[in-house]
Amino acid sequence: RKEVEQDPGPFNVPEGATVAFNCTYSNSASQSFFWYRQDCRKEPKLLMSVYSSGNEDGRFTAQLNRASQYISLLIRDSKLSDSATYLCVVTLHYNNNDMRFGAGTRLTVKP
Amino acid sequence: EPEVTQTPSHQVTQMGQEVILRCVPISNHLYFYWYRQILGQKVEFLVSFYNNEISEKSEIFDDQFSVERPDGSNFTLKIRSTKLEDSAMYFCASSELEGENSPLHFGNGTRLTVT
Repeated sequence: RKEVEQDPGPFNVPEGATVAFNCTYSNSASQSFFWYRQDCRKEPKLLMSVYSSGNEDGRFTAQLNRASQYISLLIRDSKLSDSATYLCVVTLHYNNNDMRFGAGTRLTVKP
Repeated sequence: EPEVTQTPSHQVTQMGQEVILRCVPISNHLYFYWYRQILGQKVEFLVSFYNNEISEKSEIFDDQFSVERPDGSNFTLKIRSTKLEDSAMYFCASSELEGENSPLHFGNGTRLTVT
């Protein structure tokens, strides 16, 4: 099983749509979770951390289910500028900041 | 906002040559990393560095690779004898803390092309 596995995508949605990405991780000891976005040929940029209780930042909502080792990202009212690849990122061990990336899910928002 | 800077943005080298990729992490950060991304593939961990030593490295980080923090600001990745398959985007990253919810901040990357 891959360390971090994501929906392969691509997701093509119209502006204003709601879209959800899923991610599973293999190591139950993983402690920290993040969503990054990566534009074509650019560096990954932090979108949001994922907290146990779930958290929201504007149109973005992240959820964590430790029992199922599952993370999600929900984007509401999607904008053209949301088009990017979304990377699920997980720390491999407790108290170890070395992160492992999922392969990413590509999102294209169309007018 | 402070940022991680990397130089050069693009490096072309011949197979067998040595390259040094340079990074200046954010000044108050203590943990430093190199990742690479082959075109069209996922971001892969290479090495992490803390307190002037490697704290973890991946299988990719073999004897051809080395890292150094030669002074208080730079963090370098050296590839001793480059191979064609080393062609990739190399990202440096840093973080302030270790452990829970301390995200990585990435530099813009160095695109390495080995011919």
